[in-house]
Amino acid sequence: GAVVSQHPSRVICKSGTSVKIECRSLDFQATTMFWYRQFPKQSLMLMATSNEGSKATYEQGVEKDKFLINHASLTLSTLTVTSAHPEDSSFYICSARDASGGENEQFFGPGTRLTVL
Amino acid sequence: GENVEQHPSTLSVQEGDSAVIKCTYSDSASNYFPWYKQELGKGPQLIIDIRSNVGEKKDQRIAVTLNKTAKHFSLHITETQPEDSAVYFCAGGFKGGGNKLTFGTGTQLKVEL
Repeated sequence: GAVVSQHPSRVICKSGTSVKIECRSLDFQATTMFWYRQFPKQSLMLMATSNEGSKATYEQGVEKDKFLINHASLTLSTLTVTSAHPEDSSFYICSARDASGGENEQFFGPGTRLTVL
Repeated sequence: GENVEQHPSTLSVQEGDSAVIKCTYSDSASNYFPWYKQELGKGPQLIIDIRSNVGEKKDQRIAVTLNKTAKHFSLHITETQPEDSAVYFCAGGFKGGGNKLTFGTGTQLKVEL
């Protein structure tokens, strides 16, 4: 149980284009999903908290107009990187909190490798 | 906000030996401490967690200890195997913080044959 999927697993795009990443909880409902960014050999940095049916909460220093988050259902959250630039190249990982389980348990997706040329 | 420090950054052990990774946290309100294993190119996988109402938890070869007074917690892996080689992250969080987790900097564990 507690499986989280991400799509796509890898994407290469040109500078200036927008990229959408999907995060799905496959076997549980997730009222809260989290989006992280991880640069090579570094830790996970929380970008934003995505709540179903409401606006996402962004961490300090993360541009909400650049990283658009939509959490339209209890099993799907999307992250859109708008007008992507090479510095946005990173490993993007989502996690979902199982509302029916422990208060804090987060289960992570497999990640999406974004490369902006 | 919460700050989680993790040591060591790299750890090399012989197969069959034990490995210990230590973390400290700053916010006394934190009450949930998970450990994640991340293999190259993959997302983190929850391997064990502990809540502040217990001091130790064990799951087969993996154990976690928590010292609330000193605000530190540790991961213990016994009888290490080559497949244990990965990056391990500790994290801390509490419900009042929107269930957010703050991650440590990670430990690259290498189990040598």
